Amino acid sequence: SAVISQKPSRDICQRGTSLTIQCQVDSQVTMMFWYRQQPGQSLTLIATANQGSEATYESGFVIDKFPISRPNLTFSTLTVSNMSPEDSSIYLCSVEEPRGQPQHFGDGTRLSIL
Amino acid sequence: DAKTTQPTSMDCAEGRAANLPCNHSTISGNEYVYWYRQIHSQGPQYIIHGLKNNETNEMASLIITEDRKSSTLILPHATLRDTAVYYCIVRARDQTGANNLFFGTGTRLTVIP
Repeated sequence: SAVISQKPSRDICQRGTSLTIQCQVDSQVTMMFWYRQQPGQSLTLIATANQGSEATYESGFVIDKFPISRPNLTFSTLTVSNMSPEDSSIYLCSVEEPRGQPQHFGDGTRLSIL
Repeated sequence: DAKTTQPTSMDCAEGRAANLPCNHSTISGNEYVYWYRQIHSQGPQYIIHGLKNNETNEMASLIITEDRKSSTLILPHATLRDTAVYYCIVRARDQTGANNLFFGTGTRLTVIP
């Protein structure tokens, strides 16, 4: 399965600032996804990162708050904008290649907002 | 995608088989059963998946009932490193399936020395 690397692994940020999280895959993949896991909760899909077009967001998530880039088939970024303490979560990248195969996840970015 | 029901927590003695049940009574014909686990501070790890036949790999076995309304993940010889939250997910593999993997609350398995 693909090797997925996320950076940073963790960060502590001030409220009102923004942070960009990177997801790098060691092979070309069609489907890349971003999830959020709030403290003590399960995972929730934020959006599908589409290569060459705008990301597809799930209900409750908007581009202004979580802009996503997907410049090629091996890389994506998620920005958490204008952060508040409620954004403290683990943010995870996953890939699925090809469609229908099991998704594989990175180890996530643990984000704390003060 | 069909919802699943799992026990909140389970304990298992080290070296014994861990049997984790999952109910998915509304599963559709084109939906597969996937199992993932999440060890503390790590991303979810794929374990196994199946449609209607029993499956086995190096990590676990998956037993799916004939009516496909429930399944059991079996870890044949549980070790302390198997302590994790285990998620049962059903999802279609074709384009009709949503991108979302609905993780639910999972089962917290504790392997006891």
